[in-house]
Amino acid sequence: GENVGLHLPTLSVQEGDNSIINCAYSNSASDYFIWYKQESGKGPQFIIDIRSNMDKRQGQRVTVLLNKTVKHLSLQIAATQPGDSAVYFCAENMSPGSTLTFGKGTMLLVSP
Amino acid sequence: DGGITQSPKYLFRKEGQNVTLSCEQNLNHDAMYWYRQDPGQGLRLIYYSQIVNDFQKGDIAEGYSVSREKKESFPLTVTSAQKNPTAFYLCASSMGGGGSRSFFGPGTRLTVL
Repeated sequence: GENVGLHLPTLSVQEGDNSIINCAYSNSASDYFIWYKQESGKGPQFIIDIRSNMDKRQGQRVTVLLNKTVKHLSLQIAATQPGDSAVYFCAENMSPGSTLTFGKGTMLLVSP
Repeated sequence: DGGITQSPKYLFRKEGQNVTLSCEQNLNHDAMYWYRQDPGQGLRLIYYSQIVNDFQKGDIAEGYSVSREKKESFPLTVTSAQKNPTAFYLCASSMGGGGSRSFFGPGTRLTVL
């Protein structure tokens, strides 16, 4: 499959641990943020999104936190499983009508 | 079964040849996008279209061309002018513009021989 993980920051965790993946975004005016998961050789899958009028949003086993003061976004995965192993990308929408700008990604490796 | 499809999954091309990658969606989305992905890098925007018969260049449009004659289709042509075309190409669509969730296809791996 496609080796999208080459030279990426890597987070290694044990199965059952909680994982936190961080992302620094660039534009203080960005109003929409989104996290994607990409498995090797596949297209990115939507995980969770958040708008700038919120600072926290929860999904199933995932939580996104937005700190606009320091322009920081994080993805928390509870009880990480081997199937969570993938590359995770954050993306921001810098202005109304613009397109998403993607970060370089973080590889998450989950050991059984 | 709604979704976004790309074909082929793997594509080989000789240097100097143009090649067209297919992208189709049945989500009734207005906007469609093409991205390029290289190892260790994020997604870079090639072209996007927010409405039929209209499209805009992204960050790395040189050597590529697109058309948007139908709402559900957004084919990408990689021309011989693209100096380093070997990459993983991803198509996406969204209901609105950048402030809405994009859905991705499975990707096409292009290799230039």
